[in-house]
Amino acid sequence: SQTIHQWPATLVQPVGSPLSLECTVEGTSNPNLYWYRQAAGRGLQLLFYSVGIGQISSEVPQNLSASRPQDRQFILSSKKLLLSDSGFYLCAWRGSWDQPQHFGDGTRLSIL
Amino acid sequence: AQKVTQAQTEISVVEKEDVTLDCVYETRDTTYYLFWYKQPPSGELVFLIRRNSFDEQNEISGRYSWNFQKSTSSFNFTITASQVVDSAVYFCALSGTKAAGNKLTFGGGTRVLVKP
Repeated sequence: SQTIHQWPATLVQPVGSPLSLECTVEGTSNPNLYWYRQAAGRGLQLLFYSVGIGQISSEVPQNLSASRPQDRQFILSSKKLLLSDSGFYLCAWRGSWDQPQHFGDGTRLSIL
Repeated sequence: AQKVTQAQTEISVVEKEDVTLDCVYETRDTTYYLFWYKQPPSGELVFLIRRNSFDEQNEISGRYSWNFQKSTSSFNFTITASQVVDSAVYFCALSGTKAAGNKLTFGGGTRVLVKP
């Protein structure tokens, strides 16, 4: 069966520090991968998606970037975090358009 | 363009009451799928149900039921005899054949608070 791992679960970072969040999927090949952010009490905002290795699409202009160095690995990065980067970050994968998305457990990022 | 609207931002009920969450969608696709997800306080999103545009049969799973009406572009979700464990944010989502990257379009979510 397929599983998705996302880490760390929580992270506290100072303003201006770098960021790297990692997500890996097991049990499937060539998944579509997604990074979402959720501000407290708000809905899901799609940040990036990837349909293949090295293919990244950005949904909103921002301080973050994403990379997909391997088929089942998706990384969210920042060179310098801003206070506004605080939030709950969720990674997700999907096999095809008619299948549900499956989410990781999320990372709670607090910027001080 | 696709759009999902969950007009109710928050619903508060007392345990054992029924609660219905509304979901209205817009799409130009003739073939599409609708989904419901649950996000409990712990944060993870849990997939609840998938329904394709050609299947308008209502579905029941335990205390959960879903009413899909293509004529009104709605896919409503009812929790019968609610329990405290049902307290969560519920998201409705839409997927069409033409979405780039096979993206899902999510509604804004409805927070359900079930009081004992």
